[in-house]
Amino acid sequence: RKEVEQDPGPFNVPEGATVAFNCTYSNSASQSFFWYRQDCRKEPKLLMSVYSSGNEDGRFTAQLNRASQYISLLIRDSKLSDSATYLCVVRNTGFQKLVFGTGTRLLVSP
Amino acid sequence: NAGVTQTPKFQVLKTGQSMTLQCAQDMNHNSMYWYRQDPGMGLRLIYYSASEGTTDKGEVPNGYNVSRLNKREFSLRLESAAPSQTSVYFCASQGLDRSSYEQYFGPGTRLTVT
Repeated sequence: RKEVEQDPGPFNVPEGATVAFNCTYSNSASQSFFWYRQDCRKEPKLLMSVYSSGNEDGRFTAQLNRASQYISLLIRDSKLSDSATYLCVVRNTGFQKLVFGTGTRLLVSP
Repeated sequence: NAGVTQTPKFQVLKTGQSMTLQCAQDMNHNSMYWYRQDPGMGLRLIYYSASEGTTDKGEVPNGYNVSRLNKREFSLRLESAAPSQTSVYFCASQGLDRSSYEQYFGPGTRLTVT
């Protein structure tokens, strides 16, 4: 079983739609959680950190459920520019190392 | 501000050849990382360096060596390339800001081993 699991998609949605991704992690000792965005053939970039209380950044909302060990990302009012792969990332003990999921691909169409 | 730079961007090697991938960061970060990314496998950590002068193995270190030349530079060497090492290689760096743990990535090196 992979330590971080994501539905690879693709999720095909029209512009303006709301879409949600989930991610599950297996290590109950995981301490920090993130969503990274990766455009085709580009490097990953941090989209947002995920806090226990949940957090929102514009059209993006991230939630953490420690009891069920899953993280979610909600994107409202999808834009064409949101088309990318979204990587779920966790940090375990020791702050240096991150564990990356394989990513969920989102395609937003006109 | 260049961030994290990697050279080369593309490389084709024959089986058995050697090469070194170069990485440099100008953000004064302590930690640096090498990952490989393969379809369906996600990013996997090859080696990392928590600080200048130290290196440690990650998830998939076999077939690779690293050198943390100074605080800015962290190189990855393939001594005898194999087709299984065909991949996209990303270098990343991270500062000591424990409030974010954000890793900054370079643009990647696309390596093909024939």
